[in-house]
Amino acid sequence: DAGVIQSPRHEVTEMGQEVTLRCKPISGHNSLFWYRQTMMRGLELLIYFNNNVPIDDSGMPEDRFSAKMPNASFSTLKIQPSEPRDSAVYFCASSLGRQALSGNTIYFGEGSWLTVV
Amino acid sequence: GNSVTQMEGPVTLSEEAFLTINCTYTATGYPSLFWYVQYPGEGLQLLLKATKADDKGSNKGFEATYRKETTSFHLEKGSVQVSDSAVYFCALSDYNQGGKLIFGQGTELSVKP
Repeated sequence: DAGVIQSPRHEVTEMGQEVTLRCKPISGHNSLFWYRQTMMRGLELLIYFNNNVPIDDSGMPEDRFSAKMPNASFSTLKIQPSEPRDSAVYFCASSLGRQALSGNTIYFGEGSWLTVV
Repeated sequence: GNSVTQMEGPVTLSEEAFLTINCTYTATGYPSLFWYVQYPGEGLQLLLKATKADDKGSNKGFEATYRKETTSFHLEKGSVQVSDSAVYFCALSDYNQGGKLIFGQGTELSVKP
């Protein structure tokens, strides 16, 4: 079975450029999450969708970040303009059901490694 | 608010040694508890979970028991292998906080042959 698929795996971009990260969740999963991982801050939940609707975006750091989920099989995380402090690994994850309620397993993609120079 | 605290790493062990990675939590309700593992260059994978007090989660020789009285969920393995080298994350989900998955800071394990 295909897991959560993310692209690109690696991206190096210049400060000020727009970055778009893409995610395809596991088929049939109705919850999708975007996480960011850095050495300083660990794993942070940026935004969470349920049935394609954003439920909690309190972790989105600032207006430069936006996320969309136009359908059940695709989501994007966009950073515009990008800054060096955005350099991190961005993980997309999906689950069947809302978040980790009642122990629902959340499945992670392999991550998009972003470097902004 | 809810939080998870793990023992700091890196933890370095010889093959076949006994492993304990401590995890304690703070939660307002009755959370579910998880251990995730991240191998180098990969995403996180669920290792085991427990959804109520006194439950024991187990997988691949790892186990952890949900201890409500000590608010702990320590990860143990009786005999580690080089292939267990990875970063281990303890996490909780609390229904009263919308089920949001909150991670500890991660503990790096390095197993030497």
